[in-house]
Amino acid sequence: AQTIHQWPVAEIKAVGSPLSLGCTIKGKSSPNLYWYWQATGGTLQQLFYSITVGQVESVVQLNLSASRPKDDQFILSTEKLLLSHSGFYLCAWRLPGQGNTEVFFGKGTRLTVV
Amino acid sequence: GDSVTQTEGLVTLTEGLPVMLNCTYQTIYSNPFLFWYVQHLNESPRLLLKSFTDNKRTEHQGFHATLHKSSSSFHLQKSSAQLSDSALYYCALSDRAGGYKVVFGSGTRLLVSP
Repeated sequence: AQTIHQWPVAEIKAVGSPLSLGCTIKGKSSPNLYWYWQATGGTLQQLFYSITVGQVESVVQLNLSASRPKDDQFILSTEKLLLSHSGFYLCAWRLPGQGNTEVFFGKGTRLTVV
Repeated sequence: GDSVTQTEGLVTLTEGLPVMLNCTYQTIYSNPFLFWYVQHLNESPRLLLKSFTDNKRTEHQGFHATLHKSSSSFHLQKSSAQLSDSALYYCALSDRAGGYKVVFGSGTRLLVSP
């Protein structure tokens, strides 16, 4: 069975500090991977997507970057956090080449920047 | 480009009344796939129902929706709201042929009160 694991579950970080959030997907090869963000009380905003190892496309600029170092791993990071980075970060995956399949979301990381 | 429009940001209802959440879309895809996701408080979004068949009603967990290509709509309905239906609902679109692109609407928050 496919599983998606996100880490950490929650983080409290200082403004200006670095950040690294991770996501692994087990049980499927070469999935499409996505990072989404939700401000508190806000709606889903797609940040990045990746269709293959080493290739990541940015959807919106939020002073964040993403990388896919392995087929099953997706990393979201920044060198300097801003207060506006607070929110709920969701990693998601989807089978490639099949439009009728859903996007599966991880349990998310709740980030508070102070 | 492709887009999904959810006109209501917030819908408030009394328990027992019918639910209707609007979703319209614009797409270049000739065979779009439409989804409804539900996100309860402090949880990740999960699939509620999906469809690609024109004019066919799709049902799940008491909710139903019908894709109407003629009006580019995929409204979510339920005959009688329950307190547990309070959540954030997203309509989403993808190309049935596959690919990485999944477009989410801005979401509708449903609040059901006693």
